[in-house]
Amino acid sequence: TQLLEQSPQFLSIQEGENLTVYCNSSSVFSSLQWYRQEPGEGPVLLVTVVTGGEVKKLKRLTFQFGDARKDSSLHITAAQPGDTGLYLCAGDQSGAGSYQLTFGKGTKLSVIP
Amino acid sequence: EPEVTQTPSHQVTQMGQEVILRCVPISNHLYFYWYRQILGQKVEFLVSFYNNEISEKSEIFDDQFSVERPDGSNFTLKIRSTKLEDSAMYFCASSEWSAGSSYEQYFGPGTRLTVT
Repeated sequence: TQLLEQSPQFLSIQEGENLTVYCNSSSVFSSLQWYRQEPGEGPVLLVTVVTGGEVKKLKRLTFQFGDARKDSSLHITAAQPGDTGLYLCAGDQSGAGSYQLTFGKGTKLSVIP
Repeated sequence: EPEVTQTPSHQVTQMGQEVILRCVPISNHLYFYWYRQILGQKVEFLVSFYNNEISEKSEIFDDQFSVERPDGSNFTLKIRSTKLEDSAMYFCASSEWSAGSSYEQYFGPGTRLTVT
């Protein structure tokens, strides 16, 4: 069973601060997907990283896939209250024929104005 | 922008009753999935479906569960005899066939199933 550990579980920061969320596993994933989930709603896809070492930017959000494709990070620059939410990482092993996503427990981010 | 839709948004049922949760995946997508999320817990995979058959299923997806694509647009999850522990948010997801690429999954808004 593949596990994805996310840290921290909770994060409360002031508006304007920077933060990094981590997603770690002992397993290799074909890709890692980052989602944002609001209470009572479905996960919304933010980005997918596929290649080891890959970095993708989405405005103030920077996503990185580890060289060994076992871990990923999400860095937010100058956090805004609108960034408040639950951030989930999820990995698949499609290269081995498994397309199911394994999810982490998530990081609940609160940005205080 | 195309999106996955799910109905109903909330379903309340009594223990032992059958429920059918419905999903309309994104129209050009060929892979379909069901996941569930028990309150306060992580999202868990149930089943994936491709080319009119189940391609993967988890231990959770036992004989009480079944999936079907009854027509060209709907994808359904049936629970034959609901148990209290089936209470959860159920998410449908779909992904596009993309050989050699990642299979990005797009999720619906979910159906909250409450078993009393």
